[in-house]
Amino acid sequence: SQQGEEDPQALSIQEGENATMNCSYKTSINNLQWYRQNSGRGLVHLILIRSNEREKHSGRLRVTLDTSKKSSSLLITASRAADTASYFCATPKTSYDKVIFGPGTSLSVIP
Amino acid sequence: EPEVTQTPSHQVTQMGQEVILRCVPISNHLYFYWYRQILGQKVEFLVSFYNNEISEKSEIFDDQFSVERPDGSNFTLKIRSTKLEDSAMYFCASRDRAEKLFFGSGTQLSVL
Repeated sequence: SQQGEEDPQALSIQEGENATMNCSYKTSINNLQWYRQNSGRGLVHLILIRSNEREKHSGRLRVTLDTSKKSSSLLITASRAADTASYFCATPKTSYDKVIFGPGTSLSVIP
Repeated sequence: EPEVTQTPSHQVTQMGQEVILRCVPISNHLYFYWYRQILGQKVEFLVSFYNNEISEKSEIFDDQFSVERPDGSNFTLKIRSTKLEDSAMYFCASRDRAEKLFFGSGTQLSVL
């Protein structure tokens, strides 16, 4: 398996602004997944994008995937204080590969 | 909505003691995982389990650790002789057919 690397490490924005965070990886992937973790809680699955997809939407979330650059971005539009959390990407190489997480992006949304 | 449940939520133990952390994965899921997170650090993979056997494990998952699915519903992590550095939040997860992981709320293990 491989670990994705999220960027930036920390992000602080005002409520209502958009938040963008990125994930880079090194080898080919089967899919790329984004998860959220509120402090001290379990991770929550947000969105999965397959290697043959380029963009996916879910509510206020938009994920893009550029396999030529081996990178993905997660955009949260019209952010809310409740979006304050750490965000992680996972990049399993196959359907059966273990899922491992990078250090994450810590997002703070200021009311 | 189905969820992964973990018990206990907190466990305090003395160094050298055995602990068993329990998890009930979502019923129709086939892949199960244990992760741990030391305070302020990233979520670390420990082990994955499929078809009643370990499919992958990390370097952290040494001989002191074992996993078991003793019946059709429970999935347990045993640490035989706990060390101070085993203090962490331990998360169980199970995976659906769409390859999404569902996490429990975790067990906070404190080794004194």
